[in-house]
Amino acid sequence: QAVVTQEPSLTVSPGGTVTLTCGSSTGAVTSGHYPYWFQQKPGQAPRTLIYDTSNKHSWTPARFSGSLLGGKAALTLSGAQPEDEAEYYCLLSYSGARVFGTGTKVTVL
Amino acid sequence: EVQLVESGGGLVQPGGSLRLSCAASGFTFSSYWMHWVRQAPGKGLVWVSRINSDGSSTSYADSVKGRFTISRDNAKNTLYLQMNSLRAEDTAVYYCARDLGFDPWGQGTLVAVSS
Repeated sequence: QAVVTQEPSLTVSPGGTVTLTCGSSTGAVTSGHYPYWFQQKPGQAPRTLIYDTSNKHSWTPARFSGSLLGGKAALTLSGAQPEDEAEYYCLLSYSGARVFGTGTKVTVL
Repeated sequence: EVQLVESGGGLVQPGGSLRLSCAASGFTFSSYWMHWVRQAPGKGLVWVSRINSDGSSTSYADSVKGRFTISRDNAKNTLYLQMNSLRAEDTAVYYCARDLGFDPWGQGTLVAVSS
């Protein structure tokens, strides 16, 4: 099965902007991979932020946005808040199967 | 309220079996594909399996193929994961999730494989 790669860790200043990426071992990530992005805080179940590349749930803060960037899926956080410190995972679809990314630990400091 | 509640986790010896359940409420369960996802202690999320709305199509991660079976009972609004030939590396919190927007998630049930 494919391997989906994310940055292990990123640091962003409060109010700053950071972009997380999600790459596939099989080649460029496209809308056909239906990229998802999840946020997970310690001791909690994951929460879905973005689905199908760029669609937001009703609870997704406006400062989060999803896109395709340079052959990868991307999650951009603009105007980081202390509560955004968490682990972030992407998920890609491969003809019925799904593969999670390796996860990115985002620190707001 | 749209909700998923997992159950059936516990301690099992290597080579043993366990069946997890995921009870759905607040939505028309029979209309949606469903997934199982797991997370080993201190590790990342791993997709395990998915099933289509009527149970006629399933898919599995390579790591569980041939050992785990996903199924559903739409009359009981319940999703299942039958886990056989369990190994220490199957130790994890197991979550179920609805395919639509991959939401909601259950709270998870812990499976520990140890002698």
